[in-house]
Amino acid sequence: ILNVEQSPQSLHVQEGDSTNFTCSFPSSNFYALHWYRWETAKSPEALFVMTLNGDEKKKGRISATLNTKEGYSYLYIKGSQPEDSATYLCASPTSGTYKYIFGTGTRLKVLA
Amino acid sequence: NAGVTQTPKFQVLKTGQSMTLQCAQDMNHEYMSWYRQDPGMGLRLIHYSVGAGITDQGEVPNGYNVSRSTTEDFPLRLLSAAPSQTSVYFCASSYSGSLSSYEQYFGPGTRLTVT
Repeated sequence: ILNVEQSPQSLHVQEGDSTNFTCSFPSSNFYALHWYRWETAKSPEALFVMTLNGDEKKKGRISATLNTKEGYSYLYIKGSQPEDSATYLCASPTSGTYKYIFGTGTRLKVLA
Repeated sequence: NAGVTQTPKFQVLKTGQSMTLQCAQDMNHEYMSWYRQDPGMGLRLIHYSVGAGITDQGEVPNGYNVSRSTTEDFPLRLLSAAPSQTSVYFCASSYSGSLSSYEQYFGPGTRLTVT
């Protein structure tokens, strides 16, 4: 089974700070890497789907990069706002299958 | 579009009872999946389907059955509920299971308690 790991588990930042967190995955037989945002009492919502080494995606103040050779992806949030408070999940399919494995998430709390 | 819908939202079962969690999507998605979410464990895949009539096991399939008779519906059956199956269950769908990848759309979840 593929191991998808995320760090840190949680972090608190002040409003206006920029922050980033990491998703790591085995680099062999890579297919895709998904990022999801999961607010409390809601369902996960997709942020990015990344497939190519060197991919960089952006949505507003949130961006992500992908390094498939070394097996990691970074998610960046610029100028964090309280509404960015959520758990951020990454997921990747197990090599050669349709089985997506999720990391345990990074729980972000932005303090006003 | 209603997206992905799940019923019920909450359920309490006694050990040994059986029940079916319903999941439906109206986006004509090929791929559907069931996850359970437990504290500290993240989302774990129970079963998935890449199209009507095709299902396969995920990471934690024991104690659960699925079927996919239509594109729209993907029910999850608990055969004989156990306290270890107390969890929040999410159904998700995506346009395709293709490994070139499409994002998954999640339903609102079903909170199940087994006493």
